[in-house]
Amino acid sequence: DAGVIQSPRHEVTEMGQEVTLRCKPISGHNSLFWYRQTMMRGLELLIYFNNNVPIDDSGMPEDRFSAKMPNASFSTLKIQPSEPRDSAVYFCASSRAGGQGSREQYFGPGTRLTVT
Amino acid sequence: GEDVEQSLFLSVREGDSSVINCTYTDSSSTYLYWYKQEPGAGLQLLTYIFSNMDMKQDQRLTVLLNKKDKHLSLRIADTQTGDSAIYFCAERLPGGYNKLIFGAGTRLAVHP
Repeated sequence: DAGVIQSPRHEVTEMGQEVTLRCKPISGHNSLFWYRQTMMRGLELLIYFNNNVPIDDSGMPEDRFSAKMPNASFSTLKIQPSEPRDSAVYFCASSRAGGQGSREQYFGPGTRLTVT
Repeated sequence: GEDVEQSLFLSVREGDSSVINCTYTDSSSTYLYWYKQEPGAGLQLLTYIFSNMDMKQDQRLTVLLNKKDKHLSLRIADTQTGDSAIYFCAERLPGGYNKLIFGAGTRLAVHP
């Protein structure tokens, strides 16, 4: 399996622009997680889905952030409008939920977002 | 509440053993994990331990779990320069969604 795929790997944009980050989870995984990592705040869970349904979005910082999962193989995280403080590395992770077993999360390589 | 704590930095000499410690608060955690993050990369699962175990060994890695004290440790034997990275401890909460609570990460620096 190719693992979790994220695109783009790097994004540089100007303040006020819309940014869309994309994630393809591992085939067969039914839970998907979006994280943000910064030096100041470390790794933060933004939102997670189970069977394409958002379960908990309490980590989403503001209404400027939104996430969707239209099907089992694709999710987006959108920031509109973007601000310099949104600069961070955004990770997507997936896992197989339910049943027995370790059910670890597998992380993508991340998208490094820079907002100028 | 849910919280995972780790020391932020550890420096060791090449060839020595490294021990990274972690404490967690939720006694109902089912699995505990160690992830490794190298510069510019995502988090990579290193190992995990089920909550009814107290030790797990995997080559140079040894995980110790003290469930009474809610303390988890990762020992890396014969530490190499390639082990330099950030190590995250995480606990999996009960429930069906596999939500993990991560610590802040311990930066391991290996010097000659």
